[in-house]
Amino acid sequence: GAVVSQHPSWVICKSGTSVKIECRSLDFQATTMFWYRQFPKQSLMLMATSNEGSKATYEQGVEKDKFLINHASLTLSTLTVTSAHPEDSSFYICSARGRSGSGVYEQYFGPGTRLTVT
Amino acid sequence: EDQVTQSPEALRLQEGESSSLNCSYTVSGLRGLFWYRQDPGKGPEFLFTLYSAGEEKEKERLKATLTKKESFLHITAPKPEDSATYLCAVRSGGSNYKLTFGKGTLLTVNP
Repeated sequence: GAVVSQHPSWVICKSGTSVKIECRSLDFQATTMFWYRQFPKQSLMLMATSNEGSKATYEQGVEKDKFLINHASLTLSTLTVTSAHPEDSSFYICSARGRSGSGVYEQYFGPGTRLTVT
Repeated sequence: EDQVTQSPEALRLQEGESSSLNCSYTVSGLRGLFWYRQDPGKGPEFLFTLYSAGEEKEKERLKATLTKKESFLHITAPKPEDSATYLCAVRSGGSNYKLTFGKGTLLTVNP
């Protein structure tokens, strides 16, 4: 239980284009989802927190107009990187707060999406 | 501001050689300390949550402990498949479940 999926697992796009990443909770409903980014050999940095049906809360230094987050349902959140540039290349990981089969509420992470902007 | 420091950055063990990973933290009102395992190119896999000093949890060869300032992840008789990066994270009060992560410890277990 408590499985989170992401799509795509990797994407290459040209500078100036936009790319959308989907995050789904497969076997539970997630009222809260999180988006992180991770650079090589670095830890996860929280970008934003989204609650279903409301606007996302962005961490300091994260451009909300560049990283558009939509949490339209209890099982789906999307991150759109607009006008991507090479410095946006990173590993993007989503997580969802839900309950496992053992009844424990925790954050469960997706497998990540590797974005490369050329 | 919540802070998490993990040590060592990297650790090499021989199969069967037990050891411990450290996670030191500074947080305003601890609401949970979390351990995750991350394999290369994958998302973190949840291992444990600890909520109060003195609490311990075990899973197979792993045992996590917590004090008011730090947590240890003890690995007993590790196997090569235990090789991964182990991440520690904390959640503070009123944080809307926000996790602050350390940089992780890269564990390599040689056969």
